[in-house]
Amino acid sequence: GQQVMQIPQYQHVQEGEDFTTYCNSSTTLSNIQWYKQRPGGHPVFLIQLVKSGEVKKQKRLTFQFGEAKKNSSLHITATQTTDVGTYFCAGCYSGTYKYIFGTGTRLKVLA
Amino acid sequence: DVKVTQSSRYLVKRTGEKVFLECVQDMDHENMFWYRQDPGLGLRLIYFSYDVKMKEKGDIPEGYSVSREKKERFSLILESASTNQTSMYLCASRGSGNLYEQYFGPGTRLTVT
Repeated sequence: GQQVMQIPQYQHVQEGEDFTTYCNSSTTLSNIQWYKQRPGGHPVFLIQLVKSGEVKKQKRLTFQFGEAKKNSSLHITATQTTDVGTYFCAGCYSGTYKYIFGTGTRLKVLA
Repeated sequence: DVKVTQSSRYLVKRTGEKVFLECVQDMDHENMFWYRQDPGLGLRLIYFSYDVKMKEKGDIPEGYSVSREKKERFSLILESASTNQTSMYLCASRGSGNLYEQYFGPGTRLTVT
């Protein structure tokens, strides 16, 4: 079945270091969304990527969608303690209403 | 501000009990979803509804049913709760079409003993 793999599962970084999480699908995605879940909270939408090769930035966060629309990444430059949480990608396939969530990457930032 | 509310933050039920989880959204969204979240497994879709009285199975519908009698309300029903249904349950809503973000409720942590 359709599956979105996300790595790594956990990442501990020193404050100021960079962080990247990756998502991969075995089949072409229609679009992909990214969410952040703070500890004890619920997922909150960050961004959506639709076009092949698309790159979007939000301050220190850079989101990329692969040329084949099968993979995506989220890169955080110079992490801060406020970046702590779990980051999820969610891929949507053509002809379906639903999004398949990746397993998430839990980021811990050490001050 | 979009609001998705869930009836309980914490719930403890006994094995075999019938459990109702309620979700209400105030944005007139057509699409509503129920997920369960377990460590290491991410969010898995149980059921979704794209209109009143319309529903489709997600990836893990076994042991669950849903009801959507009104547009703003989507209920998840555990007909006979079992210990393997202990989990965090998240409701979400989304506007019509796939290119909209999902808004999540605060979640219900259900423990079945």
